[in-house]
Amino acid sequence: DAGVIQSPRHEVTEMGQEVTLRCKPISGHNSLFWYRQTMMRGLELLIYFNNNVPIDDSGMPEDRFSAKMPNASFSTLKIQPSEPRDSAVYFCASSLQSTQYFGPGTRLLVL
Amino acid sequence: QKEVEQDPGPLSVPEGAIVSLNCTYSNSAFQYFMWYRQYSRKGPELLMYTYSSGNKEDGRFTAQVDKSSKYISLFIRDSQPSDSATYLCAMHNSSASKIIFGSGTRLSIRP
Repeated sequence: DAGVIQSPRHEVTEMGQEVTLRCKPISGHNSLFWYRQTMMRGLELLIYFNNNVPIDDSGMPEDRFSAKMPNASFSTLKIQPSEPRDSAVYFCASSLQSTQYFGPGTRLLVL
Repeated sequence: QKEVEQDPGPLSVPEGAIVSLNCTYSNSAFQYFMWYRQYSRKGPELLMYTYSSGNKEDGRFTAQVDKSSKYISLFIRDSQPSDSATYLCAMHNSSASKIIFGSGTRLSIRP
């Protein structure tokens, strides 16, 4: 199995631009999670889906952030417009039961 | 107050030493406890998974849970330079998929 796949691995953009992060979970997993990791705040859960349905989006910072899961094998996290404080590493993780398997992350820098 | 508290370190010990990493938590509903290891520029990977109180051993690693004190530990025996990483504790209750992570302790093993 290829594990959780995320793209792009690195993204540098200018403030105000739209950013789209992509995730392909492990085949057969029914839960998908988006996290953000910074030195200051550690690993924060942004949103998670169960069977493609958003269950808890209380961690989404504000309306600039949105996430979709149109099918069991694909999810996106969109930031529009992006701001410098959004600079972080964004992880996607998937699970079948309790154990979450993380992707390699997308390192985002907003200038 | 955070639900899970973890000393960020950094912690530096000589090769071969016994390492003790710890977390405290405030939510008595947590039943499942995990330790994740995260190498630099990688996603977290599950290292140990325990249920309720007690000890669990896996090779050089021992996870210990004391629910009465709301305190969990990870011990690493005969530490190796390859153990140098950030270690995150994590936990959840019996019914939720949402895992709460500690902020992580950065560990360095000196050759």
